[in-house]
Amino acid sequence: AQKVTQAQTEISVVEKEDVTLDCVYETRDTTYYLFWYKQPPSGELVFLIRRNSFDEQNEISGRYSWNFQKSTSSFNFTITASQVVDSAVYFCALSDLSNDYKLSFGAGTTVTVRA
Amino acid sequence: EPEVTQTPSHQVTQMGQEVILRCVPISNHLYFYWYRQILGQKVEFLVSFYNNEISEKSEIFDDQFSVERPDGSNFTLKIRSTKLEDSAMYFCASDRSSGNTIYFGEGSWLTVV
Repeated sequence: AQKVTQAQTEISVVEKEDVTLDCVYETRDTTYYLFWYKQPPSGELVFLIRRNSFDEQNEISGRYSWNFQKSTSSFNFTITASQVVDSAVYFCALSDLSNDYKLSFGAGTTVTVRA
Repeated sequence: EPEVTQTPSHQVTQMGQEVILRCVPISNHLYFYWYRQILGQKVEFLVSFYNNEISEKSEIFDDQFSVERPDGSNFTLKIRSTKLEDSAMYFCASDRSSGNTIYFGEGSWLTVV
């Protein structure tokens, strides 16, 4: 069974601090995809990144970076120099062949960035 | 940039009433989904739809739920007789191919009173 664990329920930081969100996943498949989505207070789900299981290269996009480590089944997300607009719920998600590639979400981490 | 659009953004309905939530997926996408998020909880899969039929559904998607793609663009979720516990944000999503990136609409917030 696939499973995504986001152990941090809430994180509160002051603007300009870095914040790292943890995500640990479980799957039996060798081919799978990992995602991060952002849900701002307005409620929509905004796609941030998709990473396939064969690509362990870390990725940086502006102030966002992702650290994928298959050895520990983790796909962590770091926001550098956080801003108030980063305040949102962040969801990690997994899709794999065993589940017909439907998304299985973690419980989400609420990030609050204070000015 | 193409996006998934949903209507209504918010609907309040009385228990027992039928509700239809509408979605227009991204035009060249072939896989369509409904997900649900009860307030404060995680996003849960409801149903996937491909080639004009349901490809998979969750335990949540019981006989009260149905989906339809009545024309070439709309994808609807119908709840036949709403219950209080159906109150949630319902997200429509689409995907160009299985395993690709699933893009979500802005959600339809359903409140059952």
